[in-house]
Amino acid sequence: GAVVSQHPSWVICKSGTSVKIECRSLDFQATTMFWYRQFPKQSLMLMATSNEGSKATYEQGVEKDKFLINHASLTLSTLTVTSAHPEDSSFYICSARKGLAGDTQYFGPGTRLTVL
Amino acid sequence: DAKTTQPTSMDCAEGRAANLPCNHSTISGNEYVYWYRQIHSQGPQYIIHGLKNNETNEMASLIITEDRKSSTLILPHATLRDTAVYYCIVRKDAGGTSYGKLTFGQGTILTVHP
Repeated sequence: GAVVSQHPSWVICKSGTSVKIECRSLDFQATTMFWYRQFPKQSLMLMATSNEGSKATYEQGVEKDKFLINHASLTLSTLTVTSAHPEDSSFYICSARKGLAGDTQYFGPGTRLTVL
Repeated sequence: DAKTTQPTSMDCAEGRAANLPCNHSTISGNEYVYWYRQIHSQGPQYIIHGLKNNETNEMASLIITEDRKSSTLILPHATLRDTAVYYCIVRKDAGGTSYGKLTFGQGTILTVHP
């Protein structure tokens, strides 16, 4: 159990365009979902936390108008990178938690974004 | 959340036990120790977690010292597929602004050799 999927697994886009990444919890309802970013040879950095039906909470330094997060249902969260630029090229990973903060987080396989 | 310290890298022979240490000397009473691993270009995989008792599951064992200032993840019979970056994370499960968040450090690169 506890499977999280992401779509697409990779995407290439032109500078200035917007890209949407989906994160789904396949076999459980996720009250909370998290979005991380990972640059090459670096660790995961938390970008934002989203609770179903509420606005996302962004970490310091993450532009909320650039990285739009929607958590409209208990099984789906989306991250939209608006007006993407080459520096936004990265590995984006979501994770989902079933309910309480004490529950385990399960991660998706990640989405590789390349902005040309 | 308490900071963790892990060796940068470790090697292990296939079939032998891999023992990955983690120091978390500033851990608080309500903080759990979590272990995840990340195989290249994949999302992290949950391995195990514990508070103060030793834990075992189908993947690994977690040994936490009595003072909770350090822990060891044990992969009993390492295989080549266990080659990954292993992250030891201390997480608050109640209270505070970092409630439930996972903060990743640099982890330990475990390489399992044939």
